[in-house]
Amino acid sequence: ETGVTQSPTHLIKTRGQQVTLRCSSQSGHNTVSWYQQALGQGPQFIFQYYREEENGRGNFPPRFSGLQFPNYSSELNVNALELDDSALYLCASSLRLVPGELFFGEGSRLTVL
Amino acid sequence: SQQGEEDPQALSIQEGENATMNCSYKTSINNLQWYRQNSGRGLVHLILIRSNEREKHSGRLRVTLDTSKKSSSLLITASRAADTASYFCATDPNTGNQFYFGTGTSLTVIP
Repeated sequence: ETGVTQSPTHLIKTRGQQVTLRCSSQSGHNTVSWYQQALGQGPQFIFQYYREEENGRGNFPPRFSGLQFPNYSSELNVNALELDDSALYLCASSLRLVPGELFFGEGSRLTVL
Repeated sequence: SQQGEEDPQALSIQEGENATMNCSYKTSINNLQWYRQNSGRGLVHLILIRSNEREKHSGRLRVTLDTSKKSSSLLITASRAADTASYFCATDPNTGNQFYFGTGTSLTVIP
């Protein structure tokens, strides 16, 4: 158990819809990162939030957006869903400026039909 | 695109044997980590090695790092059926805990 919780665990959407995924970070961690993992691939970095601001972004279009709240929990929003957005979305918390391990949640599996 | 590449993509061994998997990466790094993922679940941190370290041990795990070759290896000794999982290397080029993962090695340990 890492102390990082994600919801929902599974969801199905249709192309063009919007989705919001949620993450509660481990107690005391001030940084949240989101990753997308397509089937059979490694996780790809989407973005990172620190002190409620985006602090680094991978190669993802603007329709992927996020929020971090004062309690360090976070949301990932994806607009105009495409079939290729089907993946496991992983949230990871860490301590900013302390290079070290990421603590991952179990993920939200999104299927886009 | 992935920062790293693991080799082999898949590995099948008998329980008790050693398993070695390799990772190559593209840019300079501050540290490299190895993670384990059981089927479709979250990743679990195994070990971190900093760029100024060459070898590190943790229990049955041994990690080496060769920054001149931009490569790392993970050795699991005396493997167990419970070690069956996918293993990923992850590199952090900027000390911001923004990690780039490889494609993974799928390890199967046969009882």
